[in-house]
Parts: sequence; C-alpha cells; structure tokens
Amino acid sequence: GAVVSQHPSWVICKSGTSVKIECRSLDFQATTMFWYRQFPKQSLMLMATSNEGSKATYEQGVEKDKFLINHASLTLSTLTVTSAHPEDSSFYICSATPGTSGSNEQFFGPGTRLTVL
Amino acid sequence: AQSVTQLGSHVSVSEGALVLLRCNYSSSVPPYLFWYVQYPNQGLQLLLKYTTGATLVKGINGFEAEFKKSETSFHLTKPSAHMSDAAEYFCAVTVYGGSQGNLIFGKGTKLSVKP
Repeated sequence: GAVVSQHPSWVICKSGTSVKIECRSLDFQATTMFWYRQFPKQSLMLMATSNEGSKATYEQGVEKDKFLINHASLTLSTLTVTSAHPEDSSFYICSATPGTSGSNEQFFGPGTRLTVL
Repeated sequence: AQSVTQLGSHVSVSEGALVLLRCNYSSSVPPYLFWYVQYPNQGLQLLLKYTTGATLVKGINGFEAEFKKSETSFHLTKPSAHMSDAAEYFCAVTVYGGSQGNLIFGKGTKLSVKP
C-alpha cells in the first residue's frame, strides 16, 4: 500500500516552455503532498507543501510564480514549471502523507527528470 | 529545530562485509527517524523508521538501525553487503505532530559495494 506515482518520469523541453508534472497517490487519500527538488549528487530540497483545496506553502527562495502547484483533489497534485530555463533542469520528487494525525510519514514518488534545453 | 548529519558522503565496502552508515541528529523534542534508499534516477524508498518503542529497528533488505538517545545517533547497519545494496542512502528526522513538511534530510551517503 501507500503507492505514489509521478508522470512523466522524464521530460525534455525547450527553454521558455512550461512543463506540468503530476503526482498521484494511488491507494490512499493524501491530505498533504510535498514537492522536492534534487540536484545531482545532493540531498532533497523541499520546495513547497500543498494541502488539498488550499494554496501551497512555498519554502523561502522558491518562486511561487515559476513553480505553480495545484492540489485539486485528495489524490492529485501538479507542479507546473513555467517558462522553464536550463537552470530549472533537475530531478523533481513528490511525496504524500495520508494525513494520519502526527505520523508525518511521507511516501515518495519515483521522481521526474526535467531537462530544459 | 531539527538537523541531520551523515558522516561520510561516500562509503565503500566489499561484498559480504559489514555496512555501517552513520547518522547523527539534533532535535529539541523526541524525534522520528528514517532511513531511505535511492537508486539512480528513482525516488526514495523507506528502509526503516523509528518512532517510539524498541530502539533497535529492523527494516527491509536486511538493514537495521539503532536509536541511541545518549549519542543522538541512528546509524544504519547490515551484516553482509550485497552488490544490490549499492545506492544512495538518506537519513531523515521529523517530530511527532510537527508542522507538515518538516522532514529534514541529511546530505546522503553513497554506498559502493566491491565484488
């Protein structure tokens, strides 16, 4: 149980275009989903926290207008990288928590490799 | 605030040898501790976690970790390394009931296994 999927698994796009990444909890309802960014050979950096039906909370230094997050349902959150540039190339990982009070356990998706040319 | 320190960005062992990956944490309240494994171009897979109760925690793939409050440590061990254990390992800390999104990761340790 507690499976999280991401789509696409990899994407290549031209500079200036927008890319949407989906994160789905397949067998549980995720009250909260998290988006992380991972640079090569580095740890995960939390970008934002999204709760179903409300605006995402962004970490300091993360541009809200560039990384649009929508948590439209209890099983789906999307991250849209707008006007992507080569420096946005990275590995994006989402996670979801079932929302059990206090447990804070996150289940991670397989990640999406974004390459901006 | 919580923090995690993983000693050694790269650990290399021979197949069949003991694996020891070190993790020290800092937390002002009782922590929840996790070890995750990441294979190339994949997401994170939970190996094991400590929340409360028994301080020696057994996880998947033969890994275990011991929570030592006096040493603020949560080192990951495996008695006998296998080639398939080669991956990146992350230690993480959070707290019960804490604000969502406060899963703090260490910088990771890359484990190499030599034949």
